[in-house]
Amino acid sequence: GENVEQHPSTLSVQEGDSAVIKCTYSDSASNYFPWYKQELGKGPQLIIDIRSNVGEKKDQRIAVTLNKTAKHFSLHITETQPEDSAVYFCAAIFSGYSTLTFGKGTMLLVSP
Amino acid sequence: NAGVTQTPKFQVLKTGQSMTLQCAQDMNHNSMYWYRQDPGMGLRLIYYSASEGTTDKGEVPNGYNVSRLNKREFSLRLESAAPSQTSVYFCASSETPMNTEAFFGQGTRLTVV
Repeated sequence: GENVEQHPSTLSVQEGDSAVIKCTYSDSASNYFPWYKQELGKGPQLIIDIRSNVGEKKDQRIAVTLNKTAKHFSLHITETQPEDSAVYFCAAIFSGYSTLTFGKGTMLLVSP
Repeated sequence: NAGVTQTPKFQVLKTGQSMTLQCAQDMNHNSMYWYRQDPGMGLRLIYYSASEGTTDKGEVPNGYNVSRLNKREFSLRLESAAPSQTSVYFCASSETPMNTEAFFGQGTRLTVV
């Protein structure tokens, strides 16, 4: 069935380092791949998304890359800051479905 | 602008009790969703309403019912709570079912003892 695998489950970096989170999907997908950030005690919030007609998208320190042939997409955070510490979720919409399927999340810890 | 508002924020139930989680959005969105979040499991869809007047099952619907009361409100009911339903519940809404940003509420932490 439709599935999104997300790795790693936890990621610890030093402030200023880069962080990369990767997701793969198992079945044919639609054209929409969002990333959500969830801070402690809050609901997830969209931080960036990409559509299949684009290979890469950047927004300040955050970038997302998509490889539809290999069925994987990644979130890149550069110059990490302590406020980047949160749980990050990737998601996808699969063909024939009208709702998001989420990965299991990555807990990012940025140490000062 | 409140966005998506969930009530209550916390709830403790005894096994077998019933309760309704309330959700309202003020963004005039067509689609609304209920998710549950468990450690290590990510966000799993319970039910959704693509548009007012329609509801559909998600990945984990057993033990739950929903009502799309109007365009703004989408409630989730547990008829007979079980310890396995201990979780954090999130309501979300989006303009359309596909390819648009979903906005989440703050969550309801439910414990069933």
